Amino acid sequence: GESVGLHLPTLSVQEGDNSIINCAYSNSASDYFIWYKQESGKGPQFIIDIRSNMDKRQGQRVTVLLNKTVKHLSLQIAATQPGDSAVYFCAETWTGGFKTIFGAGTRLFVKA
Amino acid sequence: DAGVIQSPRHEVTEMGQEVTLRCKPISGHNSLFWYRQTMMRGLELLIYFNNNVPIDDSGMPEDRFSAKMPNASFSTLKIQPSEPRDSAVYFCASSSRAGPEKLFFGSGTQLSVL
Repeated sequence: GESVGLHLPTLSVQEGDNSIINCAYSNSASDYFIWYKQESGKGPQFIIDIRSNMDKRQGQRVTVLLNKTVKHLSLQIAATQPGDSAVYFCAETWTGGFKTIFGAGTRLFVKA
Repeated sequence: DAGVIQSPRHEVTEMGQEVTLRCKPISGHNSLFWYRQTMMRGLELLIYFNNNVPIDDSGMPEDRFSAKMPNASFSTLKIQPSEPRDSAVYFCASSSRAGPEKLFFGSGTQLSVL
């Protein structure tokens, strides 16, 4: 079936640096995108979302960018901390639908 | 809010046995999802309920899998008979409404079928 793709399965960054996690989505009809964080032994947790009428949204230390032209999402984490170490999933869904399609995930390692 | 509650956290069983996983969604949420997570296939949607009614079960692997939602505060996922290839982490998630909305996940049930 359709899936959201993540091409960098592992990302290692130094504590204090900025992290960028990228994601390509495949469904042109998708109009709502979400980033989830999954720590070991836990379920995915919502971080930030963005709708297709926006190209940027900022939260606390996180920013999501959406480029609909090339169907690309990115998650930027400022001043990465050890607690940010986790697997990050991008996900897509669409108005009128109920399915959330998850990407493969990127594991973020933060080096102290 | 207690969040989505799943039980058991871990389940080890032998091939051929029946397994029942349980989920209590967040109070007031009317959409409930069962997902399965494996290294090979990632997060897969198994079944979706809206207002306690199964809307789409096309992700259920085969007839050995069944799910119920007898009321707004409880759902079960049953595997009978279980097979080693069913070993995975099973997540329940709920959302506040139908349609595109963020999901709230439980902590999952780690299932091992020997």
